[in-house]
Amino acid sequence: EKAMTQSPATLSVSPGERATLSCRGSQTVYNNLAWYQQKPGQAPRLLIYGISTRATGIPARFSGSGFGTEFTLTIDSLQSEDSGVYYCQQYDDWPLTFGHGTKVEI
Amino acid sequence: QITLKESGPTLVKPTQTLTLTCTFSGFSLTTSGVGVGWIRQSPGKALEWLALIYWNDDTFYNSPLKKRLTITKDTSKNQVVLTVTNMDPVDTATYFCAHVESRYKQYFDLWGRGTLVTVSS
Repeated sequence: EKAMTQSPATLSVSPGERATLSCRGSQTVYNNLAWYQQKPGQAPRLLIYGISTRATGIPARFSGSGFGTEFTLTIDSLQSEDSGVYYCQQYDDWPLTFGHGTKVEI
Repeated sequence: QITLKESGPTLVKPTQTLTLTCTFSGFSLTTSGVGVGWIRQSPGKALEWLALIYWNDDTFYNSPLKKRLTITKDTSKNQVVLTVTNMDPVDTATYFCAHVESRYKQYFDLWGRGTLVTVSS
């Protein structure tokens, strides 16, 4: 199993600042990495797939980078509606696995 | 517009079998490459992928749970069904179904709202 580890567990940032979230794989997942945002009581929403491709309707302030085992989700000019928990997911191999999430507080 | 909606019991007793249905619209599970997966989330916990079925009936399961899971589809009804046998209180979770657009890109681009299942006697 390719375990995904996210850091930090919680990130407190002010509006307008930049947030940097990390996701590390126990083995390489190449470019098969997605990011999701989840708000309380809601389903996750796909933000990024293929490391850096934004999903439909996702603002340009969300960007992804990295390769292999180290990945980053960057949120520029944070807005209040960006608060939530962010998960990374690898889809390089079975079983599909998610990280434990980073909670972004604004 | 793609939508998915989970349905099933909100409360099950330990050792019982849980049957959840995902009813979807806006796509067909007869389209090459398309799949539907199930993911669950225990209260306050992370996401856990459970199972996935493709248009061609290929199925994949999370290994530790494989013996207890069965995923099937009914294309005529636009439904995917997940059964989980021998339910335990640790299986208490919100269960989501989600759409996969490609056989080789198993990320979930659209999700249902989820259904909370509590396991208690």
